[in-house]
Amino acid sequence: DAKTTQPPSMDCAEGRAANLPCNHSTISGNEYVYWYRQIHSQGPQYIIHGLKNNETNEMASLIITEDRKSSTLILPHATLRDTAVYYCIVRVQTSWSTLGRLYFGRGTQLTVWP
Amino acid sequence: DADVTQTPRNRITKTGKRIMLECSQTKGHDRMYWYRQDPGLGLRLIYYSFDVKDINKGEISDGYSVSRQAQAKFSLSLESAIPNQTALYFCATSDLAGGPGTQYFGPGTRLLVL
Repeated sequence: DAKTTQPPSMDCAEGRAANLPCNHSTISGNEYVYWYRQIHSQGPQYIIHGLKNNETNEMASLIITEDRKSSTLILPHATLRDTAVYYCIVRVQTSWSTLGRLYFGRGTQLTVWP
Repeated sequence: DADVTQTPRNRITKTGKRIMLECSQTKGHDRMYWYRQDPGLGLRLIYYSFDVKDINKGEISDGYSVSRQAQAKFSLSLESAIPNQTALYFCATSDLAGGPGTQYFGPGTRLLVL
């Protein structure tokens, strides 16, 4: 699975959009981009994933650049409860053979302030 | 009610003791996983199971064993606990439709081995 690079920390004012970047310059054509978050010591929570098209769900939007070398997770109206570590993960969607693992890396600590 | 539950939530044990961590899910997923999380190391896969009759070792299975008692239950055992097994343990599930990258995590079990 391709490696990802994320900034270690970001701040965002409550009610504003939080834009979390991720670089994955070695991504392969069949690898998806996944985003998870982990609120302090809780279980990781799946947010969204995509291949090459932009995606949106009730939690967030995912913008993937045309060359797929980077992506941005957007939380449109951040709240205090969005304070968490956000992980960008790249892996092959259908590859059950790769031990099923998700490589979480260090992620980005997002702090939403009042 | 939570879709993925873990018991106990916290456990203190002594070196050499056998302990069992339990995971139950109501999502109807056939795939279940056990991870451990250590500071600075992200999540590492211990064991995973694709159905009741299928158990697979992850990247750090030594010192651990698992039992898939039913589709909804997946237990992790430490046969003889040692201090470096002190960690936060997570159970997760996924299904064929969502693919291996979309996993749903339990709240975690914090284990301290003295």
